Amino acid sequence: GAVVSQHPSWVICKSGTSVKIECRSLDFQATTMFWYRQFPKQSLMLMATSNEGSKATYEQGVEKDKFLINHASLTLSTLTVTSAHPEDSSFYICSAEGGTSGVKQFFGPGTRLTVL
Amino acid sequence: DAKTTQPPSMDCAEGRAANLPCNHSTISGNEYVYWYRQIHSQGPQYIIHGLKNNETNEMASLIITEDRKSSTLILPHATLRDTAVYYCIVRASGGGADGLTFGKGTHLIIQP
Repeated sequence: GAVVSQHPSWVICKSGTSVKIECRSLDFQATTMFWYRQFPKQSLMLMATSNEGSKATYEQGVEKDKFLINHASLTLSTLTVTSAHPEDSSFYICSAEGGTSGVKQFFGPGTRLTVL
Repeated sequence: DAKTTQPPSMDCAEGRAANLPCNHSTISGNEYVYWYRQIHSQGPQYIIHGLKNNETNEMASLIITEDRKSSTLILPHATLRDTAVYYCIVRASGGGADGLTFGKGTHLIIQP
């Protein structure tokens, strides 16, 4: 299957700082990328959908000014958590779809964010 | 997207076939059934998807009932590495701009 990478795999930061997470589709061009969040013992929740070159679409209840998404190319999307607080600590996972992946979404390995 | 119902947990002996059921009684004609699994602290892994015909790949088989209201994912020879949470998801054809709606899934535990 297609490969999606995320960087970093884990990050610890102080409250009030910003953190950027990268998501890359390594062997296909992703017309659409998705960002999910997963709290402990819960299922994945879709945060936002981004298409290359256009603004992201956020799910209800997700603050677009806090979670900045940039999808500048067909292989890269970034999620920036601005002014992070302890309640933002979570497992952030991206997925990508398009091109040779067809209608299947392929997921990255996830990024564990801990805000102190 | 239609809602799915799965048992919260299942056990299966190593080497045996694991049969994971899913109910999707409100599925629409243009919705596919997708299966993903998530091993602890990893991103979900695509397994298989289908519309109405049974499907098989190197990982699993997907059996969809004729009325499409339920399906079964079959792992033919389960190993300890198949222990994971399995998600059954229905999604409109073509995917497009739709994210996936994850339910609680089935926690499959393979016993040695």
